[in-house]
Amino acid sequence: QKEVEQNSGPLSVPEGAIASLNCTYSDRGSQSFFWYRQYSGKSPELIMFIYSNGDKEDGRFTAQLNKASQYVSLLIRDSQPSDSATYLCATYRDDKIIFGKGTRLHILP
Amino acid sequence: DADVTQTPRNRITKTGKRIMLECSQTKGHDRMYWYRQDPGLGLRLIYYSFDVKDINKGEISDGYSVSRQAQAKFSLSLESAIPNQTALYFCATSDLGRGYTDTQYFGPGTRLTVL
Repeated sequence: QKEVEQNSGPLSVPEGAIASLNCTYSDRGSQSFFWYRQYSGKSPELIMFIYSNGDKEDGRFTAQLNKASQYVSLLIRDSQPSDSATYLCATYRDDKIIFGKGTRLHILP
Repeated sequence: DADVTQTPRNRITKTGKRIMLECSQTKGHDRMYWYRQDPGLGLRLIYYSFDVKDINKGEISDGYSVSRQAQAKFSLSLESAIPNQTALYFCATSDLGRGYTDTQYFGPGTRLTVL
């Protein structure tokens, strides 16, 4: 089992709808969780991180963490065409960041 | 100016050649990392360094070496390049003091092709 698993997609969502991106992790020792966005041919950039159970909101983005289920998600409200990108889930453990393979999101105009 | 820079941005080389990728940062961070990204395989850690005297192997260090010349500079070398090292390489930095909220700041990437 991979340490951080994501559905590769593509996930297609109509403009204005909510996009839901999911990630599971295998190591209960993981301390915190990150969502990065990566446009094609560009470098990843941090959207947000979360380390406590529950929800964390930042503008149109909400991260959700459930440590009991080893599950973290990212919700994007009012999806825009500019949200079309690959979203990387990552965990922090033992001084390293472990990345998932990413989910490609396509917002349909 | 960009906080994390990488040179070269693109490189085509031949099998068996030695090649060095360079990374410089002006963020003042102690931690520096080298990743490679391949389609379908995501970002994989090659080497990381927490300060000039601290170098650690990552998930896929075989065939690579690194040098931390200064706090701001971290170079990745391929001693004898092979075609399966064709990939997009990213350098990243993070702030030692942030611990479990350790945000990675990435350079623009180097696209390496080994023929």
